[in-house]
Amino acid sequence: QSALTQPRSVSGSPGQSVTISCTGTSSDVGGYNYVSWYQQHPGKAPKLMIYDVSKRPSGVPDRFSGSKSGNTASLTISGLQAEDEADYYCCSYAGSHVVFGGGTKLTVL
Amino acid sequence: QVQLQESGPGLVKPSGTLSLTCAVSGGSISSSNWWSWVRQPPGKGLEWIGEIYHSGSTNYNPSLKSRVTISVDKSKNQFSLKLSSVTAADTAVYYCASRSLGAYGSGSYFDYWGQGTLVTVSS
Repeated sequence: QSALTQPRSVSGSPGQSVTISCTGTSSDVGGYNYVSWYQQHPGKAPKLMIYDVSKRPSGVPDRFSGSKSGNTASLTISGLQAEDEADYYCCSYAGSHVVFGGGTKLTVL
Repeated sequence: QVQLQESGPGLVKPSGTLSLTCAVSGGSISSSNWWSWVRQPPGKGLEWIGEIYHSGSTNYNPSLKSRVTISVDKSKNQFSLKLSSVTAADTAVYYCASRSLGAYGSGSYFDYWGQGTLVTVSS
């Protein structure tokens, strides 16, 4: 299995919006509505931010949203805040296994 | 609130076997979750290693399958990872996590994570 493809880095100023893409194949992202997104701050465990493509767990701000089109999923963060600076990973169910993206470093300028 | 805690040696010799255990508290390992291992080499991304259901069914990352064994001990509410023939490339922070199937068994996401434990492969 190959890792899902994410941009290595994105950046934005406070208050702006950024979108992180996650490209897979018809065997993972395109084949299931089971894409999730995780935020990871340095030295910390990943935190679930979006699940099942577009659902938000309790406690996650509505500034975070997810979508999918074909084999590409996207995470959009609107109204950027300093605390959003972190690494973000997408993840997809792929039948009998799970695959992560390579990760995207979000810098808040 | 489910809590997960990894434990095991922080240093393993090359060609040896890495062994870790994840203790589950605040919930039952017999619930409808898959119990997973994920690792992260220093400065790199997350890699799914594999998972086990309380019934004993397992799924493994195809690239690691020949070296990985995941087992469950329902009496102790814990699950374990063994990775054999380790090399320096296996040096990583190892996380245990629960993969939920959602309220109606139709979903897939990691809802709870352990804090992670660094395992270094070195002589």
